[in-house]
Amino acid sequence: AQSVTQLDSQVPVFEEAPVELRCNYSSSVSVYLFWYVQYPNQGLQLLLKYLSGSTLVKGINGFEAEFNKSQTSFHLRKPSVHISDTAEYFCAVSEWDTGGFKTIFGAGTRLFVKA
Amino acid sequence: DSGVTQTPKHLITATGQRVTLRCSPRSGDLSVYWYQQSLDQGLQFLIQYYNGEERAKGNILERFSAQQFPDLHSELNLSSLELGDSALYFCASAPRHINTEAFFGQGTRLTVV
Repeated sequence: AQSVTQLDSQVPVFEEAPVELRCNYSSSVSVYLFWYVQYPNQGLQLLLKYLSGSTLVKGINGFEAEFNKSQTSFHLRKPSVHISDTAEYFCAVSEWDTGGFKTIFGAGTRLFVKA
Repeated sequence: DSGVTQTPKHLITATGQRVTLRCSPRSGDLSVYWYQQSLDQGLQFLIQYYNGEERAKGNILERFSAQQFPDLHSELNLSSLELGDSALYFCASAPRHINTEAFFGQGTRLTVV
């Protein structure tokens, strides 16, 4: 992917409300798609991934994402968020590029869940 | 716990110095990836090693180098350090040379003063 764009740098939401974190990428080849979560002072943890098959992918902690090839998007959703979901979320795309098979990350979206 | 171990957790050093960051991948994983995370650049892919050989290269400066040893642990060497090299450096490991699921360590926070 030449770029991965996470359209919102911050998303505040109330507890138990639904949330969507948006991710778009630019690529002309087949890609693998990922969402990672980073809690403060920790490494990244894989939430879910799309490699092939069904475009609706379910992950851990009640998150899901839908791959839309025509819109080159991979938006992350959760129907009801908890305070503990407050973290930074990264969309990532893996593809063959000059220099090898690379994973490119978006700039991140900070999800802030309010009581 | 991802199973990926990075040492040290924190490192403070002066400009012009050289440091080595270490990464032990998950048991059985052959690929090691290095990333740099900073506020202005975000998460940048530096380099990947697979089973001891360099496999993919990203935005790695010439002052930086890495290697993967026969026991599969990896080291990232940063030399002639500049203030702008201050960042969180992550290592991730994966079973194969193609990233279908990478597991991240907790990172090494490098501060250059």
